[in-house]
Parts: sequence; structure tokens; C-alpha cells
Amino acid sequence: SQTIHQWPATLVQPVGSPLSLECTVEGTSNPNLYWYRQAAGRGLQLLFYSVGIGQISSEVPQNLSASRPQDRQFILSSKKLLLSDSGFYLCAWGRTTSSYNEQFFGPGTRLTVL
Amino acid sequence: KNQVEQSPQSLIILEGKNCTLQCNYTVSPFSNLRWYKQDTGRGPVSLTIMTFSENTKSNGRYTATLDADTKQSSLHITASQLSDSASYICVVSARQAGTALIFGKGTTLSVSS
Repeated sequence: SQTIHQWPATLVQPVGSPLSLECTVEGTSNPNLYWYRQAAGRGLQLLFYSVGIGQISSEVPQNLSASRPQDRQFILSSKKLLLSDSGFYLCAWGRTTSSYNEQFFGPGTRLTVL
Repeated sequence: KNQVEQSPQSLIILEGKNCTLQCNYTVSPFSNLRWYKQDTGRGPVSLTIMTFSENTKSNGRYTATLDADTKQSSLHITASQLSDSASYICVVSARQAGTALIFGKGTTLSVSS
């Protein structure tokens, strides 16, 4: 069966510090990978998605970047965090079938920028 | 503009009671609609997925309906339990290139004893 891992689970960082969140998927190959942010009282916002190694599409221009160094590894980074980067970050993996665009979410990382 | 609106924003019910959550969407062309349950501090978990040809689908005590003509969906929870307390998110996928999903803001359900 497939599983998706995220770490760390929680993170408190000062403004201006760098960020690196990691997501890994087990039990599948060549998945589509996604990074979402969920701010308090708001819906999930797609940040980045990747259909293969080194292939990153950005949905929202901002202070963050993503990389996919391996097939089942997806990393979200920032060089200098802003207060507005606080939120709940979710990684998801998926497969595109004829009918569904099924996505499976990881446990999330709670980021607080102070 | 593709949008998904959910109501109510929050809901409190007694354990054992039934409830219905609503979802209206303006996504076109429509591909499928899914309901997720998200426990506090956890990632969303899929409850049901429906394409335009499906108008009802059940998963245990959860029953989702879809009216593709009026672009409305509902999630009915029967005989609620304390563990049903969570946020329920309606998500619509557009039938187009790319992998974007359009998320509602969710309904927060609290089940009390």
C-alpha cells in the first residue's frame, strides 16, 4: 500500500530564516506530487505540483520554491520566511486516471513564523 | 471563475443526530466532485468521489449526492458520532489540462454528547 510522510510535523521559525519541508511517498512510482497551504479559515491553496523528477509547476508566485530531487521526494523551501508564510502545509500524491484526479494527503506540517 | 462554496460554515449537533452539509460549485467543465474529512491538525481523507454521471454514493454513515444540473452536492451524515467532529471539505475537479482541484473552505462539524 502507498503511504506519504511529511516532516517535521510542527515547526516554529523566526522571520527571515530559511525553510525546508520534506515529503516522501512509498509504495508507488512516478506519482504526481503537490504542495498545498491551508491558512486559518481558508481553503487549501495549491502552491506547486510536479509530474516528474525536476519538473515543478508553480501555481502562486511567492516567497517559496519547490524541488523534486528524486521520484518520490518533494521538498518545499524558502530562503527567507515571512510572517505570512505561517500555515498548515500539506503534501499530496496522486495518479491521473480516466475519471478521477485522486489525491492522497500527508499528515501535514504546522509552520509558525514569529 | 471556478469556485466552490460550502454551507454552513460551522455546525454543532448532538451525538446520534443526522446532519446535511451543502456544496455549490461553478466549476466548468466539470469532471468530478469529492468530499474529504479533515480531523484537526491532520491531512484530509477522501470520503467519496462522484463523476457527473453519479448522483449518489455512500461510505458507511456518509452519503453524498450530486446534482450536476444545479451544480449542487450534499453530504449527509447519519447517526452522528463524536468522531465525526472534523472539517468537511468539498473539492471539485475541472475536466481540463492540468491537475488543479478547486477546494471549498470547509464546514466545521462539532458533535457533542
